[in-house]
Amino acid sequence: EAQVTQNPRYLITVTGKKLTVTCSQNMNHEYMSWYRQDPGLGLRQIYYSMNVEVTDKGDVPEGYKVSRKEKRNFPLILESPSPNQTSLYFCASSFWRGSGTDTQYFGPGTRLTVL
Amino acid sequence: AQSVAQPEDQVNVAEGNPLTVKCTYSVSGNPYLFWYVQYPNRGLQFLLKYITGDNLVKGSYGFEAEFNKSQTSFHLKKPSALVSDSALYFCAVRPLGGYALNFGKGTSLLVTP
Repeated sequence: EAQVTQNPRYLITVTGKKLTVTCSQNMNHEYMSWYRQDPGLGLRQIYYSMNVEVTDKGDVPEGYKVSRKEKRNFPLILESPSPNQTSLYFCASSFWRGSGTDTQYFGPGTRLTVL
Repeated sequence: AQSVAQPEDQVNVAEGNPLTVKCTYSVSGNPYLFWYVQYPNRGLQFLLKYITGDNLVKGSYGFEAEFNKSQTSFHLKKPSALVSDSALYFCAVRPLGGYALNFGKGTSLLVTP
Protein backbone atom coordinates (compact mmCIF):
# COMPACT_ATOMS: atom_id res chain seq x y z
CA GLU A 1 0.00 0.00 0.00
CA ALA A 2 1.30 3.44 -0.98
CA GLN A 3 1.71 5.48 2.14
CA VAL A 4 3.60 7.99 4.22
CA THR A 5 4.39 6.77 7.71
CA GLN A 6 5.46 8.75 10.75
CA ASN A 7 6.79 7.66 14.10
CA PRO A 8 5.99 8.16 16.84
CA ARG A 9 2.35 9.14 16.55
CA TYR A 10 2.31 10.67 20.01
CA LEU A 11 5.19 12.01 22.05
CA ILE A 12 5.41 13.83 25.35
CA THR A 13 8.83 15.14 26.23
CA VAL A 14 10.55 17.79 28.32
CA THR A 15 12.27 21.01 27.35
CA GLY A 16 15.74 20.52 25.97
CA LYS A 17 15.64 16.78 25.37
CA LYS A 18 16.61 16.09 21.77
CA LEU A 19 14.11 14.13 19.72
CA THR A 20 13.62 12.85 16.20
CA VAL A 21 10.36 12.25 14.38
CA THR A 22 10.79 9.85 11.50
CA CYS A 23 9.02 10.01 8.15
CA SER A 24 9.16 7.39 5.44
CA GLN A 25 7.40 7.01 2.09
CA ASN A 26 7.24 4.03 -0.24
CA MET A 27 6.17 5.84 -3.42
CA ASN A 28 9.64 6.81 -4.71
CA HIS A 29 8.73 10.47 -4.34
CA GLU A 30 11.41 13.09 -4.85
CA TYR A 31 9.75 15.84 -2.80
CA MET A 32 9.19 15.57 0.94
CA SER A 33 8.10 18.18 3.41
CA TRP A 34 7.32 18.81 7.07
CA TYR A 35 4.43 20.93 8.33
CA ARG A 36 3.15 21.90 11.71
CA GLN A 37 -0.52 22.45 12.39
CA ASP A 38 -1.68 24.85 15.08
CA PRO A 39 -5.25 25.94 15.85
CA GLY A 40 -6.22 29.04 13.90
CA LEU A 41 -2.98 29.01 11.91
CA GLY A 42 -3.56 26.14 9.53
CA LEU A 43 -0.53 24.25 8.27
CA ARG A 44 2.83 25.95 8.04
CA GLN A 45 5.78 24.48 6.24
CA ILE A 46 8.91 23.85 8.31
CA TYR A 47 11.36 22.35 5.80
CA TYR A 48 11.20 20.66 2.46
CA SER A 49 13.47 18.52 0.34
CA MET A 50 13.58 18.32 -3.43
CA ASN A 51 15.67 15.16 -3.45
CA VAL A 52 18.44 13.35 -1.62
CA GLU A 53 20.84 15.79 0.04
CA VAL A 54 18.74 18.78 -1.09
CA THR A 55 16.80 20.57 1.64
CA ASP A 56 15.53 24.09 2.17
CA LYS A 57 13.72 26.15 4.77
CA GLY A 58 10.00 26.68 4.76
CA ASP A 59 8.11 29.38 6.61
CA VAL A 60 8.89 28.34 10.20
CA PRO A 61 12.27 26.54 10.30
CA GLU A 62 13.60 27.94 13.59
CA GLY A 63 14.34 25.23 16.14
CA TYR A 64 14.19 22.38 13.63
CA LYS A 65 16.66 20.40 11.55
CA VAL A 66 16.16 17.90 8.78
CA SER A 67 18.26 15.56 6.70
CA ARG A 68 17.65 13.60 3.52
CA LYS A 69 20.25 10.87 3.21
CA GLU A 70 17.91 8.42 1.53
CA LYS A 71 15.08 9.09 -0.87
CA ARG A 72 12.45 7.40 1.23
CA ASN A 73 13.27 8.99 4.61
CA PHE A 74 13.05 12.56 5.86
CA PRO A 75 13.46 12.80 9.64
CA LEU A 76 12.62 15.95 11.60
CA ILE A 77 15.02 16.73 14.42
CA LEU A 78 14.39 18.98 17.39
CA GLU A 79 17.78 19.53 19.00
CA SER A 80 16.44 21.37 22.04
CA PRO A 81 12.65 21.31 22.09
CA SER A 82 10.74 24.12 23.72
CA PRO A 83 7.08 24.38 24.75
CA ASN A 84 6.26 26.56 21.72
CA GLN A 85 7.03 23.55 19.55
CA THR A 86 4.07 21.70 21.01
CA SER A 87 2.05 21.02 17.90
CA LEU A 88 0.71 18.47 15.43
CA TYR A 89 3.32 17.61 12.83
CA PHE A 90 2.71 16.23 9.36
CA CYS A 91 5.10 14.81 6.85
CA ALA A 92 4.12 14.88 3.17
CA SER A 93 5.60 13.65 -0.08
CA SER A 94 5.02 13.93 -3.80
CA PHE A 95 6.66 13.48 -7.14
CA TRP A 96 8.45 16.55 -8.39
CA ARG A 97 8.20 17.16 -12.11
CA GLY A 98 9.30 20.76 -11.93
CA SER A 99 5.95 22.51 -12.35
CA GLY A 100 4.49 22.17 -8.88
CA THR A 101 1.36 20.37 -10.04
CA ASP A 102 2.00 17.12 -8.21
CA THR A 103 -0.29 16.17 -5.34
CA GLN A 104 1.24 15.92 -1.89
CA TYR A 105 0.29 12.91 0.22
CA PHE A 106 0.30 13.27 3.96
CA GLY A 107 1.26 11.03 6.82
CA PRO A 108 -1.05 10.41 9.80
CA GLY A 109 0.55 13.08 11.97
CA THR A 110 2.64 13.19 15.14
CA ARG A 111 1.23 14.96 18.15
CA LEU A 112 4.13 16.41 20.14
CA THR A 113 3.86 17.91 23.61
CA VAL A 114 6.88 19.64 25.11
CA LEU A 115 6.61 20.27 28.86
CA ALA B 1 4.07 35.93 -2.01
CA GLN B 2 1.31 33.42 -2.49
CA SER B 3 -1.48 32.93 0.02
CA VAL B 4 -5.00 31.67 0.43
CA ALA B 5 -7.78 32.90 2.64
CA GLN B 6 -10.63 30.86 4.02
CA PRO B 7 -13.01 33.52 5.32
CA GLU B 8 -15.20 31.22 7.38
CA ASP B 9 -13.95 29.42 10.45
CA GLN B 10 -17.03 27.22 10.48
CA VAL B 11 -19.78 26.32 8.06
CA ASN B 12 -22.98 24.66 9.24
CA VAL B 13 -25.32 22.91 6.84
CA ALA B 14 -28.19 20.46 7.15
CA GLU B 15 -27.83 17.01 5.67
CA GLY B 16 -29.11 16.90 2.11
CA ASN B 17 -28.54 20.59 1.49
CA PRO B 18 -25.83 21.91 -0.82
CA LEU B 19 -22.63 23.06 0.81
CA THR B 20 -19.98 25.61 -0.12
CA VAL B 21 -16.64 26.15 1.57
CA LYS B 22 -14.99 29.35 0.40
CA CYS B 23 -11.40 29.98 -0.61
CA THR B 24 -9.76 32.99 -2.22
CA TYR B 25 -6.18 33.15 -3.32
CA SER B 26 -3.44 35.63 -3.98
CA VAL B 27 -0.56 34.57 -6.18
CA SER B 28 1.54 36.06 -8.92
CA GLY B 29 1.27 34.09 -12.11
CA ASN B 30 -0.81 31.00 -12.66
CA PRO B 31 -1.96 29.30 -9.48
CA TYR B 32 -2.21 25.64 -8.73
CA LEU B 33 -4.99 25.16 -6.20
CA PHE B 34 -5.75 22.22 -3.95
CA TRP B 35 -8.37 21.12 -1.45
CA TYR B 36 -7.64 18.72 1.38
CA VAL B 37 -9.89 17.30 4.10
CA GLN B 38 -8.91 16.31 7.62
CA TYR B 39 -11.14 13.99 9.59
CA PRO B 40 -10.77 13.92 13.38
CA ASN B 41 -7.47 12.39 14.50
CA ARG B 42 -6.48 11.69 10.91
CA GLY B 43 -4.00 13.09 8.42
CA LEU B 44 -4.93 15.24 5.46
CA GLN B 45 -6.56 13.57 2.51
CA PHE B 46 -6.41 15.00 -1.00
CA LEU B 47 -9.78 15.94 -2.48
CA LEU B 48 -9.09 17.71 -5.76
CA LYS B 49 -6.86 20.17 -7.55
CA TYR B 50 -7.00 22.78 -10.28
CA ILE B 51 -4.06 22.92 -12.65
CA THR B 52 -5.43 24.22 -15.92
CA GLY B 53 -8.35 23.74 -18.27
CA ASP B 54 -11.96 23.34 -17.20
CA ASN B 55 -12.84 25.70 -14.37
CA LEU B 56 -15.04 23.08 -12.71
CA VAL B 57 -12.96 20.39 -11.10
CA LYS B 58 -14.45 17.17 -9.81
CA GLY B 59 -12.87 15.29 -6.96
CA SER B 60 -13.33 12.57 -4.39
CA TYR B 61 -16.48 11.83 -2.36
CA GLY B 62 -18.73 13.87 -4.68
CA PHE B 63 -16.94 17.16 -4.09
CA GLU B 64 -16.21 19.68 -6.80
CA ALA B 65 -14.63 23.11 -6.92
CA GLU B 66 -14.98 26.05 -9.25
CA PHE B 67 -11.97 28.09 -10.25
CA ASN B 68 -12.84 31.74 -10.89
CA LYS B 69 -9.89 33.75 -12.10
CA SER B 70 -11.63 37.13 -12.07
CA GLN B 71 -12.69 36.69 -8.46
CA THR B 72 -9.51 34.80 -7.50
CA SER B 73 -11.61 32.15 -5.84
CA PHE B 74 -11.67 28.38 -5.65
CA HIS B 75 -14.77 27.45 -3.66
CA LEU B 76 -15.43 23.84 -2.69
CA LYS B 77 -18.95 22.56 -3.29
CA LYS B 78 -21.12 19.51 -2.93
CA PRO B 79 -24.73 19.27 -4.12
CA SER B 80 -26.00 17.24 -1.16
CA ALA B 81 -24.14 17.18 2.16
CA LEU B 82 -23.75 14.08 4.30
CA VAL B 83 -23.19 13.95 8.05
CA SER B 84 -19.97 12.07 7.29
CA ASP B 85 -18.67 15.15 5.43
CA SER B 86 -18.19 16.87 8.78
CA ALA B 87 -14.48 17.59 8.95
CA LEU B 88 -11.84 20.29 8.65
CA TYR B 89 -11.22 21.51 5.09
CA PHE B 90 -8.07 23.19 3.88
CA CYS B 91 -7.47 25.13 0.70
CA ALA B 92 -3.87 25.43 -0.55
CA VAL B 93 -2.05 27.25 -3.33
CA ARG B 94 1.22 26.80 -5.13
CA PRO B 95 2.49 29.11 -7.88
CA LEU B 96 3.89 27.82 -11.16
CA GLY B 97 7.25 26.22 -10.47
CA GLY B 98 6.99 26.99 -6.77
CA TYR B 99 8.12 24.59 -4.10
CA ALA B 100 5.98 25.53 -1.14
CA LEU B 101 2.33 24.65 -0.76
CA ASN B 102 0.66 27.43 1.24
CA PHE B 103 -2.40 26.44 3.24
CA GLY B 104 -5.33 28.43 4.49
CA LYS B 105 -6.30 28.31 8.15
CA GLY B 106 -9.00 25.76 7.55
CA THR B 107 -12.80 25.71 7.68
CA SER B 108 -14.66 23.40 9.98
CA LEU B 109 -17.71 21.92 8.26
CA LEU B 110 -20.52 20.62 10.43
CA VAL B 111 -23.35 18.74 8.76
CA THR B 112 -26.33 18.13 11.02
CA PRO B 113 -28.91 15.39 10.53
